[in-house]
Amino acid sequence: EAGVTQFPSHSVIEKGQTVTLRCDPISGHDNLYWYRRVMGKEIKFLLHFVKESKQDESGMPNNRFLAERTGGTYSTLKVQPAELEDSGVYFCASSQVNTDTQYFGPGTRLTVL
Amino acid sequence: DQQVKQNSPSLSVQEGRISILNCDYTNSMFDYFLWYKKYPAEGPTFLISISSIKDKNEDGRFTVFLNKSAKHLSLHIVPSQPGDSAVYFCAATEAGGTSYGKLTFGQGTILTVHP
Repeated sequence: EAGVTQFPSHSVIEKGQTVTLRCDPISGHDNLYWYRRVMGKEIKFLLHFVKESKQDESGMPNNRFLAERTGGTYSTLKVQPAELEDSGVYFCASSQVNTDTQYFGPGTRLTVL
Repeated sequence: DQQVKQNSPSLSVQEGRISILNCDYTNSMFDYFLWYKKYPAEGPTFLISISSIKDKNEDGRFTVFLNKSAKHLSLHIVPSQPGDSAVYFCAATEAGGTSYGKLTFGQGTILTVHP
């Protein structure tokens, strides 16, 4: 069974540009989460989808971040316009309905110059 | 407001000995706890979990202990192997609550196991 996949693995952009990260969860997992780790600190929750609906987006830093999960399969996280403080590793995770164990993807390392 | 804390940034142990990683939490609503292991340039890998109705859970060389009254949990690895060298994250969640599934992580502990 394929794990959670994320694309791209690395992205380097300039301040003010737009970047879109993609996450493909494990097949059949209705729950999809986005997290971010900045500068070697703790991994912080961004938001949670159940199928195509946003269940909890309390961790989204501001309105420059837009997450979508059309059709309840893969998800995208767009940052527009990117700022220097957006640099970090963005992780996606998925889980089956009514379970707590989340399985993480390899992450996308975003560098904003 | 750091609700999950791993106060030891690093731990170094000899191969074959026991590794003990500690984690403290402040939110009394947390009732499910997980440990993840992370290698460089990879995502966190689920290791072991424990529900608040238990005080111990074992899986092979890994055992997690939970002390609810002290809001403290620990991960024991016995015997430690060089391949266990990684960053270990403690995470907590309110299982089935309104924030169902949202994990709150500690800062991580870098474990180094020397041959």
